[in-house]
Amino acid sequence: NAGVTQTPKFQVLKTGQSMTLQCAQDMNHNSMYWYRQDPGMGLRLIYYSASEGTTDKGEVPNGYNVSRLNKREFSLRLESAAPSQTSVYFCASSERSYNEQFFGPGTRLTVL
Amino acid sequence: DAKTTQPPSMDCAEGRAANLPCNHSTISGNEYVYWYRQIHSQGPQYIIHGLKNNETNEMASLIITEDRKSSTLILPHATLRDTAVYYCIVRVALGNTPLVFGKGTRLSVIA
Repeated sequence: NAGVTQTPKFQVLKTGQSMTLQCAQDMNHNSMYWYRQDPGMGLRLIYYSASEGTTDKGEVPNGYNVSRLNKREFSLRLESAAPSQTSVYFCASSERSYNEQFFGPGTRLTVL
Repeated sequence: DAKTTQPPSMDCAEGRAANLPCNHSTISGNEYVYWYRQIHSQGPQYIIHGLKNNETNEMASLIITEDRKSSTLILPHATLRDTAVYYCIVRVALGNTPLVFGKGTRLSVIA
């Protein structure tokens, strides 16, 4: 099992460009999450999906949209990237929303 | 805001027990204590969680005080690979309450 996979691993964008971060899990988990981590800081929740077909805002949702494409996949979209969105983005999944979360390796995004 | 308070950093000699404290004085009766760690920019890794009884697994032990206002994560024989940031998180274990990460404790295991 690959666990939680994220693509791409690294990305550089110019201000105003758009992109989608992809996340997939092969553990048949119901819940999936997107976090961001700025240098020297803890993780902050952007959006989560408690189950297929539902999404909810987390602590820092502004500037992002998400799609729970199916049970396996949960994507994060930046419509118009800003330098403040330079960060490391982690995707996670859990069997249910109250179970332990399994994290992917992260996507390192730089917005110039 | 995170509901927990942790020291920003700690050192531990290799082979010794690492005891990481966490204060959660406002914890509610239905909230669990979770511990995760993050090794050098990798994704966080679940370690252990508990409600009020002490818990042990292959990675660590979790000691929760009787009043549940604080807890200690114990790594019994720390190795260099245990160098990481350790996060103590309290959350309700039902429903859709997500994890809220604070800044954690940076544990440095020294040879």
